[in-house]
Amino acid sequence: SQQGEEDPQALSIQEGENATMNCSYKTSINNLQWYRQNSGRGLVHLILIRSNEREKHSGRLRVTLDTSKKSSSLLITASRAADTASYFCATDQMNTGFQKLVFGTGTRLLVSP
Amino acid sequence: DTGVSQDPRHKITKRGQNVTFRCDPISEHNRLYWYRQTLGQGPEFLTYFQNEAQLEKSRLLSDRFSAERPKGSFSTLEIQRTEQGDSAMYLCASSSYRDRGYEQYFGPGTRLTVT
Repeated sequence: SQQGEEDPQALSIQEGENATMNCSYKTSINNLQWYRQNSGRGLVHLILIRSNEREKHSGRLRVTLDTSKKSSSLLITASRAADTASYFCATDQMNTGFQKLVFGTGTRLLVSP
Repeated sequence: DTGVSQDPRHKITKRGQNVTFRCDPISEHNRLYWYRQTLGQGPEFLTYFQNEAQLEKSRLLSDRFSAERPKGSFSTLEIQRTEQGDSAMYLCASSSYRDRGYEQYFGPGTRLTVT
């Protein structure tokens, strides 16, 4: 079963605008990761934030994590048509003994030229 | 290309037939994972190998499913007596203990359609 929910389920924006998507999860985690999936390249790892971190940046990506609310957000700035894809958060749960990723339901992002 | 590869990319089979998928991980990665993804959903964990040992199996993996990783290299996932509900994308991923396994590298997937 899915760990949590992503919001919104779908997002449509124009090139150059920012896109924000949110993820909520249910259990204690070691870290939270964001992945992108499109038909051309499959699932690609974007960024990882550890449970003791609150914010992380990578290029045009900014991720925040609030463990007290069990939520995370991914911000993509200055979006491009090539950012069109589905975005998934995945939590690495504590106490599993190995890295078991539990994925959310995903946000489908459409960036129009 | 030295990424994770999967074969076949697409498989159409009739209900009741057996199917086998193959995954070749990145060569130095000792951890290998199988996931299943249905339309509109995120991937769901099926099973995990560390080297040749299968250390974890999800309850999603019924007794019709079996996975192996002989010699800790490639892995196979077999589904016996396929059902229409098995139709999904089957994803393989690998990671390295040396990198503390934080990032999983995914293959392109095998899309299974059971008619």
